[in-house]
Amino acid sequence: RKEVEQDPGPFNVPEGATVAFNCTYSNSASQSFFWYRQDCRKEPKLLMSVYSSGNEDGRFTAQLNRASQYISLLIRDSKLSDSATYLCVVNGDTGRRALTFGSGTRLQVQP
Amino acid sequence: DAMVIQNPRYQVTQFGKPVTLSCSQTLNHNVMYWYQQKSSQAPKLLFHYYDKDFNNEADTPDNFQSRRPNTSFCFLDIRSPGLGDAAMYLCATSRAINQPQHFGDGTRLSIL
Repeated sequence: RKEVEQDPGPFNVPEGATVAFNCTYSNSASQSFFWYRQDCRKEPKLLMSVYSSGNEDGRFTAQLNRASQYISLLIRDSKLSDSATYLCVVNGDTGRRALTFGSGTRLQVQP
Repeated sequence: DAMVIQNPRYQVTQFGKPVTLSCSQTLNHNVMYWYQQKSSQAPKLLFHYYDKDFNNEADTPDNFQSRRPNTSFCFLDIRSPGLGDAAMYLCATSRAINQPQHFGDGTRLSIL
């Protein structure tokens, strides 16, 4: 089983739609969780951290389900500019283990 | 202003000819990382430095080496590039090992 797994998509949605992605992780000791956004041929950029209680930033909501070992990202009122690949990032465990990136879920918002 | 700067943006080298990619940061972060990313794949961590402490990933080929002469700079040396090493190379920094990472624009490496 991969450490971090995502549905590659693409998710094709109309403008204004609500879309959600899930990401599963294998290490139950993981402590840090993030969503990054990566545009085509660009570097990943931090979208938001994911906190245990769930957190929201404008149209974006992130949630963590420790029991089932997944995190989710919900995007409301999708904009054309939301089209990108969304990378799930998880740390392996406490200590010196660096973050592990998922392969990403591609979102295409259509007019 | 860019806080993680990679040079060059595009690098072309010949098969087997050593190449060095550079990364600098103005964030004064403790950790610097090098990733390799191929099309439609996740960034693959090659190694990272926590201060001067070098941490190599188990599956990083010996062909890839790194140097961090000071807090601000980190270099990726590819001793004998093969065709399979053509990729985007991303440098990132973070304050600590589990903190969010800040990426440079990347260097796209082509092998002739």
